[in-house]
Amino acid sequence: QTVVTQEPSFSVSPGGTVTLTCGLSSGSVSTSYYPSWYQQTPGQAPRTLIYSTSTRSSGVPDRFSGSILGNKAALTITGAQADDESDYYCALYMGSGISVFGGGTQLTVL
Amino acid sequence: QLQLQESGPGLVKPSETLSLTCTVSGGSISSSSYYWGWLRQPPGKGLEWIGSINYSGSTFYNPSLKSRVTMSVDTSRNQFSLRVSSVTAADTAVYYCAREYTSSSQRFEPWGQGTLVTVSS
Repeated sequence: QTVVTQEPSFSVSPGGTVTLTCGLSSGSVSTSYYPSWYQQTPGQAPRTLIYSTSTRSSGVPDRFSGSILGNKAALTITGAQADDESDYYCALYMGSGISVFGGGTQLTVL
Repeated sequence: QLQLQESGPGLVKPSETLSLTCTVSGGSISSSSYYWGWLRQPPGKGLEWIGSINYSGSTFYNPSLKSRVTMSVDTSRNQFSLRVSSVTAADTAVYYCAREYTSSSQRFEPWGQGTLVTVSS
């Protein structure tokens, strides 16, 4: 069974830069998995940040960027702000209509 | 602006069937460009894709749930629905519906606000 891996937690200082990653238990993530990233604050529905590896969704600030780094998809937040403190989830498209989410990364800004 | 709203019972007994409906407003569910997805999030845990359906009723299901999940679409009401049979406490979660973009724009957007379903006797 395919497992999508994310760091359970991460912290960043205000104004700092942080890169969250999204990997596979077996194999490498490529653009062919159409990685997408979602931000979720407690009690709220997820918000779509990035799709197709690096395309920002409408209204998403350009301090959020997506890429492939090595064998993983990556979400980089440049100039972190207090309200970036959230849970971040990646999703990979496995083909045949199947999507798999990672376990999420809890980001702390302090 | 497209909006999605989940509705259905908030409490379901073990071994019974969970049924939810997602009502789409501000756009047509009949567009061939999209699928319509169900996702869930157990309390304190991560997101899980349950399945997706398009306007013609073509479905994709999470292999781990496939034996218990049925999705349907009602284009006349601009709604799609989810049924999960033989539920247990492990099916307790916030259930979300979302529009699914496919192909090179693959993503779930926008999402409904979510509805909590508790499985308990």
